[in-house]
Amino acid sequence: EAGVAQSPRYKIIEKRQSVAFWCNPISGHATLYWYQQILGQGPKLLIQFQNNGVVDDSQLPKDRFSAERLKGVDSTLKIQPAKLEDSAVYLCASSQVEGGEQFFGPGTRLTVL
Amino acid sequence: GQSLEQPSEVTAVEGAIVQINCTYQTSGFYGLSWYQQHDGGAPTFLSYNALDGLEETGRFSSFLSRSDSYGYLLLQELQMKDSASYFCAVKDSNYQLIWGAGTKLIIKP
Repeated sequence: EAGVAQSPRYKIIEKRQSVAFWCNPISGHATLYWYQQILGQGPKLLIQFQNNGVVDDSQLPKDRFSAERLKGVDSTLKIQPAKLEDSAVYLCASSQVEGGEQFFGPGTRLTVL
Repeated sequence: GQSLEQPSEVTAVEGAIVQINCTYQTSGFYGLSWYQQHDGGAPTFLSYNALDGLEETGRFSSFLSRSDSYGYLLLQELQMKDSASYFCAVKDSNYQLIWGAGTKLIIKP
């Protein structure tokens, strides 16, 4: 069984630029999560999808971050414009059902200069 | 507010036993999970406790006391490959994970 796929693995951008991350969850997993992990901290949930609907986006900075999961499968997370404090690893995870064991992708390491 | 407390760093010797504690204060509680994360890697699931008591999976065990809002991860027969960060995470009333800051486990030969 293939795991959670994410791309790109690394991205370096200047502040005020835009960036997008892609995630393909494990086949059949209905729930998809985007986390932000700053160095030395635990992951922080940004947004949770159940199929193609948003369950929780209370910690998503909506003035600059957006995410979609149009067909209930893969998802994209966008930052526009990026700030220095957005430098972090962006992790995508999926679970078969809401509240189930979460499986993580390798993450995208974003550096904003 | 919601908070999880775990030591920032623990050092142990190869072959020994180490315990990583986690105390939590959350608005709701369904269970306590433990994840392992190697440097540059993704978190991987280790264990989940919904009820009080000890759960054993090979060299790793996890304990929960809901009345004390406390749990721990016990790693036995430590191997160098166990060097990693270990996170406790509470599943709250919305079925979401609230994560601790992680404990960096350093293993010396």
